[in-house]
Amino acid sequence: GAVVSQHPSWVICKSGTSVKIECRSLDFQATTMFWYRQFPKQSLMLMATSNEGSKATYEQGVEKDKFLINHASLTLSTLTVTSAHPEDSSFYICSANGGPGHEQYFGPGTRLTVT
Amino acid sequence: GESVGLHLPTLSVQEGDNSIINCAYSNSASDYFIWYKQESGKGPQFIIDIRSNMDKRQGQRVTVLLNKTVKHLSLQIAATQPGDSAVYFCAERLGFQKLVFGTGTRLLVSP
Repeated sequence: GAVVSQHPSWVICKSGTSVKIECRSLDFQATTMFWYRQFPKQSLMLMATSNEGSKATYEQGVEKDKFLINHASLTLSTLTVTSAHPEDSSFYICSANGGPGHEQYFGPGTRLTVT
Repeated sequence: GESVGLHLPTLSVQEGDNSIINCAYSNSASDYFIWYKQESGKGPQFIIDIRSNMDKRQGQRVTVLLNKTVKHLSLQIAATQPGDSAVYFCAERLGFQKLVFGTGTRLLVSP
């Protein structure tokens, strides 16, 4: 139990376009989902906290108009990278609260490459 | 600012050795700590956790030690195996559900 999926697992897009990444809790309801970004050989940095039915809370330095988060249901949160640029290329990972046992379950990540 | 730091980026061990990965955290108010394992191109995988009212917790082949006096956390892996090779992160919980991750240690296990 407590499986979190992400789609797509990898995506390549051109500079200036927008990309949507989905995060789903498959066998539990997630009241809260989190989005992280991880650059190569670095740690996970929290970008935002997403609660179902309310606006996301962004960490300092994360542009909310660039990284749009929608948590429309208890099993789905989406992250849209708008007007992507090469510096947005990164590994984006979501996690979800609400499953059994320990508290945050992580998705497998989405590799975004902006050319 | 808030930080959880690791100062040893790579740890190389022989198969069968015991491994110890260390972590220093900065916020004395943190009440919950977790160790994650991350393999290349994958999301973090939960290993073991510990609450601040404990100083030791054991799992299968892993032990986490918490020293709140010096704000130090360690992960001990017994009889390390090649499959244990990965990057290990500690994380502390700050506030409601928010996790702050350390910088990570790469564990390399040689057969």
